[in-house]
Amino acid sequence: QLQLQESGPGLVRPSETLSLTCSVSGDSLSSDAYFWGWIRQPPGKGLEWIGNIFYRGNTFYNPSLKSRVIISLDTSKNQFSLKLSSVTAADTAVYYCARRHNSFDTWGQGTQVTVSS
Amino acid sequence: QSVLTQPPSVSGAPGQKVTISCIGNSSNIGAGYEVHWYKQFPGTAPKLLISGRSNRPSGVPDRVSGSKSGTSASLAIAGLQADDEADYYCQSYDKSLNIWVFGGGTRLNVL
Repeated sequence: QLQLQESGPGLVRPSETLSLTCSVSGDSLSSDAYFWGWIRQPPGKGLEWIGNIFYRGNTFYNPSLKSRVIISLDTSKNQFSLKLSSVTAADTAVYYCARRHNSFDTWGQGTQVTVSS
Repeated sequence: QSVLTQPPSVSGAPGQKVTISCIGNSSNIGAGYEVHWYKQFPGTAPKLLISGRSNRPSGVPDRVSGSKSGTSASLAIAGLQADDEADYYCQSYDKSLNIWVFGGGTRLNVL
C-alpha cells in the first residue's frame, strides 16, 4: 500500500529556507509512471500547487514560486524534497506531498509549517 | 482568487442530491483537460474522489459522479449522508499559466 510521509521543521524564521522531505513507501520513485509533487494549504484557505518532479529529475514549478523553489529526488532513499527560500509569513501553510498520474491520487498526511520569528 | 470557481458552500438534507459546480475557461477545462475532485475533512489531507469524468478510487460509492461540459464541470452526490459533510475541491491544468490549478473549495453541509 502506497504511503507518503512529510517531515521537517514546523517553525521557520522569516527570510530563511523551508526544507521538507517526503518519504515514500509502497512504490518506487524510479517508476516512469508517476510524477511526485508538493501542494500547500494556507490556514483557512484552498490548495496551491507548488511543483512536481519526474523520476528523471525533470521539474515543473508554479511560476509564482519558481524563483524560490527547488524540488529534488533521492531515489536511493525513496524520498523527494522541497526547498523554499526567503520565506515570509505568507508561506505559513500545511504542506502536502502527493503522487500524480492524471490526478493527485495519493497524499501524505501533511505537515504544518509556520513562518515566524 | 482561484482560476477555477466553486461556490463557497452548498447544503442538502440527508437522502437528497447536491451538485457542486467548477467553472473554468478556455485555457483549462475548456481546453479539454480533465477535472478531478477531492474530498477533505477539516484537519486532514485531501483524498481523491473522482479522477476525470467518472473514475472512482476503490471505496468511493457510485452515488458520487462527475461531469464536464464546455468550460465547466460538476460533482454530484446523491443520497446525502452525514459523512459527506466536508470540503470539496476541483482540480485541472491551465495551459496559459502552466500550472495545475485548484478551485477555491466548496463546503458541503448536510442539514
